[in-house]
Amino acid sequence: DAGITQSPRYKITETGRQVTLMCHQTWSHSYMFWYRQDLGHGLRLIYYSAAADITDKGEVPDGYVVSRSKTENFPLTLESATRSQTSVYFCASSESGSSYNEQFFGPGTRLTVL
Amino acid sequence: GDSVTQMEGPVTLSEEAFLTINCTYTATGYPSLFWYVQYPGEGLQLLLKATKADDKGSNKGFEATYRKETTSFHLEKGSVQVSDSAVYFCALIFYQKVTFGIGTKLQVIP
Repeated sequence: DAGITQSPRYKITETGRQVTLMCHQTWSHSYMFWYRQDLGHGLRLIYYSAAADITDKGEVPDGYVVSRSKTENFPLTLESATRSQTSVYFCASSESGSSYNEQFFGPGTRLTVL
Repeated sequence: GDSVTQMEGPVTLSEEAFLTINCTYTATGYPSLFWYVQYPGEGLQLLLKATKADDKGSNKGFEATYRKETTSFHLEKGSVQVSDSAVYFCALIFYQKVTFGIGTKLQVIP
Protein backbone atom coordinates (compact mmCIF):
# COMPACT_ATOMS: atom_id res chain seq x y z
CA ASP A 1 0.00 0.00 0.00
CA ALA A 2 1.23 3.47 -0.80
CA GLY A 3 1.70 5.95 2.01
CA ILE A 4 2.86 5.63 5.57
CA THR A 5 1.93 2.69 7.74
CA GLN A 6 2.47 1.82 11.38
CA SER A 7 2.39 -1.50 13.18
CA PRO A 8 1.02 -2.67 15.43
CA ARG A 9 -2.02 -0.41 15.68
CA TYR A 10 -2.62 -1.45 19.29
CA LYS A 11 -0.19 -2.87 21.84
CA ILE A 12 -0.46 -3.78 25.48
CA THR A 13 2.73 -4.56 27.35
CA GLU A 14 4.08 -4.68 30.87
CA THR A 15 6.48 -2.43 32.71
CA GLY A 16 10.10 -3.30 31.97
CA ARG A 17 9.50 -5.04 28.65
CA GLN A 18 11.09 -3.96 25.41
CA VAL A 19 8.67 -2.82 22.72
CA THR A 20 9.33 -1.84 19.12
CA LEU A 21 6.91 0.21 17.05
CA MET A 22 7.32 0.02 13.31
CA CYS A 23 6.93 2.73 10.71
CA HIS A 24 7.16 2.31 6.94
CA GLN A 25 6.74 4.85 4.15
CA THR A 26 6.63 4.29 0.41
CA TRP A 27 7.39 7.81 -0.83
CA SER A 28 11.18 7.72 -0.29
CA HIS A 29 10.86 10.82 1.87
CA SER A 30 14.14 11.91 3.42
CA TYR A 31 12.76 12.98 6.78
CA MET A 32 10.90 10.81 9.25
CA PHE A 33 9.58 11.66 12.69
CA TRP A 34 8.16 10.04 15.82
CA TYR A 35 5.65 11.86 18.00
CA ARG A 36 3.66 10.97 21.05
CA GLN A 37 0.20 12.38 21.63
CA ASP A 38 -1.07 12.92 25.15
CA LEU A 39 -4.07 14.83 26.47
CA GLY A 40 -3.15 18.38 27.33
CA HIS A 41 0.17 18.20 25.48
CA GLY A 42 -0.75 17.89 21.85
CA LEU A 43 1.98 16.19 19.86
CA ARG A 44 5.54 16.12 21.13
CA LEU A 45 8.52 15.13 19.01
CA ILE A 46 10.50 12.16 20.28
CA TYR A 47 13.11 11.65 17.54
CA TYR A 48 13.55 12.53 13.92
CA SER A 49 15.77 11.41 11.07
CA ALA A 50 17.04 13.42 8.13
CA ALA A 51 18.19 10.39 6.15
CA ALA A 52 19.29 6.79 6.57
CA ASP A 53 21.75 6.50 9.47
CA ILE A 54 21.11 10.11 10.58
CA THR A 55 18.93 10.60 13.64
CA ASP A 56 18.49 13.34 16.22
CA LYS A 57 16.65 13.91 19.48
CA GLY A 58 13.44 15.81 19.74
CA GLU A 59 11.66 17.29 22.74
CA VAL A 60 11.08 14.07 24.74
CA PRO A 61 13.70 11.43 23.77
CA ASP A 62 14.38 9.82 27.17
CA GLY A 63 13.53 6.13 27.29
CA TYR A 64 13.36 5.75 23.51
CA VAL A 65 15.80 4.51 20.87
CA VAL A 66 15.53 4.82 17.10
CA SER A 67 17.40 3.52 14.11
CA ARG A 68 17.17 4.06 10.39
CA SER A 69 19.13 1.60 8.32
CA LYS A 70 16.81 2.01 5.31
CA THR A 71 15.16 5.16 4.04
CA GLU A 72 11.66 3.67 4.20
CA ASN A 73 11.75 2.33 7.76
CA PHE A 74 12.04 4.14 11.08
CA PRO A 75 11.42 1.86 14.08
CA LEU A 76 10.98 3.25 17.59
CA THR A 77 12.06 1.08 20.53
CA LEU A 78 11.13 1.46 24.16
CA GLU A 79 14.01 -0.39 25.82
CA SER A 80 12.28 -0.82 29.18
CA ALA A 81 8.70 0.37 29.03
CA THR A 82 7.26 2.49 31.82
CA ARG A 83 3.66 3.45 32.57
CA SER A 84 4.41 7.05 31.65
CA GLN A 85 5.04 5.85 28.10
CA THR A 86 1.40 4.88 27.70
CA SER A 87 0.39 7.07 24.80
CA VAL A 88 -0.57 7.21 21.15
CA TYR A 89 2.49 7.23 18.91
CA PHE A 90 2.50 8.77 15.45
CA CYS A 91 5.09 8.39 12.77
CA ALA A 92 5.38 11.04 10.07
CA SER A 93 7.47 11.70 6.99
CA SER A 94 8.40 14.73 4.96
CA GLU A 95 10.01 15.18 1.57
CA SER A 96 12.66 17.50 2.98
CA GLY A 97 13.54 19.62 5.98
CA SER A 98 12.20 22.74 4.32
CA SER A 99 9.68 24.87 6.19
CA TYR A 100 7.40 24.64 3.16
CA ASN A 101 6.91 20.90 3.25
CA GLU A 102 4.07 19.35 5.18
CA GLN A 103 4.49 16.22 7.21
CA PHE A 104 2.40 13.16 6.36
CA PHE A 105 1.20 11.14 9.31
CA GLY A 106 0.59 7.45 9.85
CA PRO A 107 -2.57 6.15 11.55
CA GLY A 108 -0.92 5.84 14.96
CA THR A 109 -0.13 3.09 17.47
CA ARG A 110 -1.98 3.07 20.77
CA LEU A 111 0.42 1.70 23.41
CA THR A 112 -0.66 0.75 26.91
CA VAL A 113 1.97 -0.10 29.52
CA LEU A 114 0.56 -1.94 32.53
CA GLY B 1 11.79 28.61 21.89
CA ASP B 2 8.93 28.45 19.43
CA SER B 3 5.42 27.92 20.75
CA VAL B 4 1.84 27.66 19.54
CA THR B 5 -1.19 28.57 21.65
CA GLN B 6 -4.73 27.46 20.86
CA MET B 7 -7.85 26.85 22.91
CA GLU B 8 -8.30 23.24 23.99
CA GLY B 9 -12.06 23.21 23.81
CA PRO B 10 -14.23 21.35 23.32
CA VAL B 11 -16.01 23.76 21.04
CA THR B 12 -19.62 22.76 20.46
CA LEU B 13 -21.53 24.32 17.56
CA SER B 14 -24.78 23.71 15.80
CA GLU B 15 -24.70 22.71 12.15
CA GLU B 16 -24.31 25.72 9.80
CA ALA B 17 -22.81 27.90 12.55
CA PHE B 18 -19.69 30.03 11.99
CA LEU B 19 -16.45 28.60 13.30
CA THR B 20 -13.37 30.38 14.61
CA ILE B 21 -10.51 28.58 16.31
CA ASN B 22 -7.83 30.95 17.48
CA CYS B 23 -4.14 30.22 17.07
CA THR B 24 -1.27 32.46 18.08
CA TYR B 25 2.41 31.70 17.90
CA THR B 26 5.84 32.83 18.95
CA ALA B 27 8.80 32.10 16.72
CA THR B 28 12.37 33.26 16.37
CA GLY B 29 12.54 32.79 12.60
CA TYR B 30 10.05 32.94 9.73
CA PRO B 31 8.07 29.73 9.97
CA SER B 32 5.37 28.26 7.80
CA LEU B 33 2.02 27.81 9.50
CA PHE B 34 -0.29 24.83 9.18
CA TRP B 35 -3.64 23.55 10.32
CA TYR B 36 -3.99 19.79 10.66
CA VAL B 37 -7.19 17.87 11.35
CA GLN B 38 -7.51 14.57 13.19
CA TYR B 39 -10.67 12.53 12.83
CA PRO B 40 -11.46 9.93 15.51
CA GLY B 41 -9.07 6.97 15.40
CA GLU B 42 -6.96 8.42 12.61
CA GLY B 43 -3.68 10.22 12.11
CA LEU B 44 -3.33 13.90 11.35
CA GLN B 45 -4.13 15.21 7.89
CA LEU B 46 -3.07 18.53 6.47
CA LEU B 47 -6.02 20.90 6.20
CA LEU B 48 -4.30 24.04 4.94
CA LYS B 49 -1.07 25.96 5.12
CA ALA B 50 0.52 29.37 4.59
CA THR B 51 4.22 29.86 4.03
CA LYS B 52 4.65 33.62 4.40
CA ALA B 53 3.03 36.68 5.94
CA ASP B 54 -0.38 37.68 4.52
CA ASP B 55 -0.78 34.35 2.73
CA LYS B 56 -4.22 32.80 3.02
CA GLY B 57 -4.57 29.05 3.10
CA SER B 58 -7.90 27.48 2.22
CA ASN B 59 -9.40 24.03 1.80
CA LYS B 60 -12.83 22.42 2.16
CA GLY B 61 -14.42 25.75 3.13
CA PHE B 62 -11.84 26.39 5.87
CA GLU B 63 -9.46 29.31 5.65
CA ALA B 64 -6.73 30.97 7.70
CA THR B 65 -4.53 34.01 7.10
CA TYR B 66 -0.89 34.30 8.24
CA ARG B 67 -0.85 37.53 10.26
CA LYS B 68 2.67 38.45 11.21
CA GLU B 69 1.68 41.68 12.98
CA THR B 70 -0.57 39.81 15.42
CA THR B 71 1.38 36.50 15.23
CA SER B 72 -1.86 34.68 14.53
CA PHE B 73 -3.27 32.06 12.19
CA HIS B 74 -6.93 31.74 13.14
CA LEU B 75 -9.00 29.02 11.48
CA GLU B 76 -12.45 29.97 10.16
CA LYS B 77 -15.32 28.31 8.36
CA GLY B 78 -18.56 29.98 7.43
CA SER B 79 -20.90 27.03 7.90
CA VAL B 80 -19.81 23.90 9.75
CA GLN B 81 -21.18 20.42 9.15
CA VAL B 82 -21.47 17.41 11.43
CA SER B 83 -18.68 15.81 9.39
CA ASP B 84 -16.32 18.59 10.53
CA SER B 85 -16.32 17.16 14.06
CA ALA B 86 -12.66 16.44 14.78
CA VAL B 87 -9.61 17.75 16.61
CA TYR B 88 -7.82 20.66 14.92
CA PHE B 89 -4.12 21.33 15.45
CA CYS B 90 -2.31 24.53 14.66
CA ALA B 91 1.38 24.05 13.92
CA LEU B 92 4.41 26.00 12.85
CA ILE B 93 7.28 24.53 10.91
CA PHE B 94 10.72 26.09 10.77
CA TYR B 95 12.96 23.84 8.70
CA GLN B 96 12.61 20.34 10.17
CA LYS B 97 11.32 21.50 13.55
CA VAL B 98 7.56 21.34 14.05
CA THR B 99 5.77 22.84 17.02
CA PHE B 100 2.13 21.84 17.56
CA GLY B 101 -0.60 23.43 19.60
CA ILE B 102 -2.47 21.19 22.03
CA GLY B 103 -5.38 20.71 19.65
CA THR B 104 -8.96 22.00 19.74
CA LYS B 105 -11.79 19.51 19.75
CA LEU B 106 -14.77 20.58 17.64
CA GLN B 107 -18.15 18.94 18.03
CA VAL B 108 -20.88 19.88 15.59
CA ILE B 109 -24.41 18.87 16.53
CA PRO B 110 -27.30 18.53 14.05
